[in-house]
Amino acid sequence: GAGVSQSPSNKVTEKGKDVELRCDPISGHTALYWYRQSLGQGLEFLIYFQGNSAPDKSGLPSDRFSAERTGGSVSTLTIQRTQQEDSAVYLCASSLSQLNSPLHFGNGTRLTVT
Amino acid sequence: EDQVTQSPEALRLQEGESSSLNCSYTVSGLRGLFWYRQDPGKGPEFLFTLYSAGEEKEKERLKATLTKKESFLHITAPKPEDSATYLCAPQGFQKLVFGTGTRLLVSP
Repeated sequence: GAGVSQSPSNKVTEKGKDVELRCDPISGHTALYWYRQSLGQGLEFLIYFQGNSAPDKSGLPSDRFSAERTGGSVSTLTIQRTQQEDSAVYLCASSLSQLNSPLHFGNGTRLTVT
Repeated sequence: EDQVTQSPEALRLQEGESSSLNCSYTVSGLRGLFWYRQDPGKGPEFLFTLYSAGEEKEKERLKATLTKKESFLHITAPKPEDSATYLCAPQGFQKLVFGTGTRLLVSP
């Protein structure tokens, strides 16, 4: 079946511009996560959605970062006024539920801020 | 604070040369430990979940084991296609915590 789909796969933007990254989770998965992966670093948790509950935004690095999940399915991660340190691979994952269910990842969006 | 350390950072093996990767963790209330494989330019791919000390899981040339402080990923007679970064991620009461991974290169 279809896996987690992310778009675009690559994004180059100028410093100060806003970007939107999209994630289509696996159908039926109620939990959705955003992570950031920088070169040589582990996966950094950003935000977590579970069903209709309020999202866990505790990992967002600044107020320039926001995310929404519409209709319990597609999610968009928005970065405003991008900075060079935002350059990284942004990974989306979904799972059936939070507790003990493995995460299924998309292939990420590689963001480069010039 | 939950922590996880993977070693070695990088490992080069000859085809057929067995070895083990280590994942040491400090997690409050371990609920499970996940192993993932990540190929360049791809997202992590789920391999195993281990739930309690003493548990073992196998898949082809890979076997994952778990103790109260560590997990090992044993690779038996590896092939070049096993080359990838292997990530472990324990989950406690808080969020899943990912290690920085072990980059495995298997040469023919």
